[in-house]
Amino acid sequence: EIVLTQSPATLSLSPGERATLSCRASQSISSYLAWYQQKPGQAPRLLIYDASNRATGIPARFSGSGSGVDFTLTISSLEPEDFAVYHCQQRSKWPVTFGGGTKVEIK
Amino acid sequence: EVQLVESGGDLVQPGGSLRLSCAASGFTFTIYWMSWIRQAPGKGLEWVASMKGDGSEKYYVDSVKGRFTISRDNAKNSLYLQMNGLRAEDTAVYFCAKSYGDIIYFDYWGQGTVVTVSS
Repeated sequence: EIVLTQSPATLSLSPGERATLSCRASQSISSYLAWYQQKPGQAPRLLIYDASNRATGIPARFSGSGSGVDFTLTISSLEPEDFAVYHCQQRSKWPVTFGGGTKVEIK
Repeated sequence: EVQLVESGGDLVQPGGSLRLSCAASGFTFTIYWMSWIRQAPGKGLEWVASMKGDGSEKYYVDSVKGRFTISRDNAKNSLYLQMNGLRAEDTAVYFCAKSYGDIIYFDYWGQGTVVTVSS
């Protein structure tokens, strides 16, 4: 199975700052990676698919990049509502796998 | 508006069984892959199973193979997860999710149903 490793586990930042989240795959997954945002008590929300495409209704401050094994989610300027847990997910091979998550918390 | 509503979660003893349901509305159910994804308390997301729109393909995570069965009734716009031989490690919130087009990303999720396996 393809293992996705997210780093850091926790990111402490202030509103207005730039957030850079990493997801590394144990083998090449081309661009078959998605990012989700999850707030406490809620279901995840799809942000980015196929590494760099924003899902419907997602603000432009969210961007994704990468291919192969290294991927990045960037939030250009954190809004108060962006403090949450972010998950990456690959669809390159079955089984579908998720990373362990990165919590973006208020500093 | 797309809606996914799960039901069937409960407290069950180890070795017991449970059937989860997901009622879908607001989209053409029959053409989309549907999946179950779970989240143990305080943990990350774990994909459990997926099923193609016409039912011709199913996939499971290894830890549930032989114990869980995903199924769907396209006439009722419903997805199911039959869970047998439940273990403590199956304790989680179980989400039903719709795939994004024909690809296995999840663009709509239900609110989740809680399964607790404990004696």
